[in-house]
Amino acid sequence: GAVVSQHPSRVICKSGTSVKIECRSLDFQATTMFWYRQFPKQSLMLMATSNEGSKATYEQGVEKDKFLINHASLTLSTLTVTSAHPEDSSFYICSAPKDSAYGYTFGSGTRLTVV
Amino acid sequence: KQEVTQIPAALSVPEGENLVLNCSFTDSAIYNLQWFRQDPGKGLTSLLLIQSSQREQTSGRLNASLDKSSGRSTLYIAASQPGDSATYLCASPGGGTSYGKLTFGQGTILTVHP
Repeated sequence: GAVVSQHPSRVICKSGTSVKIECRSLDFQATTMFWYRQFPKQSLMLMATSNEGSKATYEQGVEKDKFLINHASLTLSTLTVTSAHPEDSSFYICSAPKDSAYGYTFGSGTRLTVV
Repeated sequence: KQEVTQIPAALSVPEGENLVLNCSFTDSAIYNLQWFRQDPGKGLTSLLLIQSSQREQTSGRLNASLDKSSGRSTLYIAASQPGDSATYLCASPGGGTSYGKLTFGQGTILTVHP
């Protein structure tokens, strides 16, 4: 199989604080992970590509200093939302390709609410 | 740049009906195409993956086809059930590899009523 575990599933934080979201590939090594953001009733918007051992690649318009991505091992990528504000409230999802036979596997998502 | 379009945007059917969801893409040089299901507030669940060399894949009541020449893929759901209600997304990785960025369609919201 190909399983990606994402935690936490829900988080509520105060404005100005930082929140870390973790994604782990449980049964395969993920040299690349993708981080998405999804607004209500919209499709997924790619934020950044996380590469193990190197800097993440951010999509145009995504603030690198606000959304810190670390991919320190072949099974773990983290997204830290720094100095969160209410407009950062959203659904964040990670994904990783296992191989050409499995395609992409997605985490279960994290609902972030900034109050 | 790959563009993926899904029609219809929403579909409501009575239980038991067979239905077809459509996905079209602009760049026929795709590596593969994947169909996903998303339940409200949840992540994406992979339904079917079709390699570029394949014409269709089947899993239970689901059948996905791929026609690269016309830039189309369809997801056929037989004997629909209320539990099939969800948003269905198709996506294809870019860059001619299986590891490229996924380009998603906007999704089809399916409602199957008893």
